[in-house]
Amino acid sequence: QVQLVQSGAEVKKPGASVKVSCKASGYTFTTYDVNWVRQAPGQGPEWMGWMNPNNGRTGYAQKFDGRVTMTRNTSITTAYMELSSLRSDDTAVYYCARAFTPRRFDPWGQGTLVTVSS
Amino acid sequence: DIQMTQSPSSLSASVGDRVVISCRASQSLTIYLNWFQQKPGKAPRLLIYDASGVQSGVPSRFSGSGSGTDFTLTISSVQPEDFATYYCQQTYSIPWTFGQGTKVEIK
Repeated sequence: QVQLVQSGAEVKKPGASVKVSCKASGYTFTTYDVNWVRQAPGQGPEWMGWMNPNNGRTGYAQKFDGRVTMTRNTSITTAYMELSSLRSDDTAVYYCARAFTPRRFDPWGQGTLVTVSS
Repeated sequence: DIQMTQSPSSLSASVGDRVVISCRASQSLTIYLNWFQQKPGKAPRLLIYDASGVQSGVPSRFSGSGSGTDFTLTISSVQPEDFATYYCQQTYSIPWTFGQGTKVEIK
């Protein structure tokens, strides 16, 4: 079945970077965009950007532009999201989601908790 | 950015009740509005796409309606497994944005 499996929880200090992975299986990885969405504790989800695994094209929400980088390794069907210059308000669960169509996110990964604390 | 406002923020319902959740956008979305269900510690699950399309595998008691700026999610007869938080998401223009959620609790 179609599945996205993410890397484990991370604890980072302010100013550091974090890189979260998202391993896809059950479908042709290069056919569908991968989106990244985060959710701070008690808040609604927040869209961060998308990546086309076929050609590596990306589009980022303006809020994260300059701090986020989305990449992929097609040989291992894995997408990555790296966020730099971490702050305490970056503490959140980070999700990857396949864009079944550009406007339809399904399925989602299980989420990766990133905690930013000194 | 398009702002999404859900109402109510929470509600209590008994099993078998009809539940209606509203979502209002700060500008017209035509039909580009999705609904998600999220249970504690789990990822969101797509229920409804393009305002009224039911995602594969979603029970028929879930339905969506609306266009423009006003949308609703209806659960015709709420079941124990439906107690969760529901989010709307606009996919009319980037950045895609979500509502703040409606928590459906057991009365």
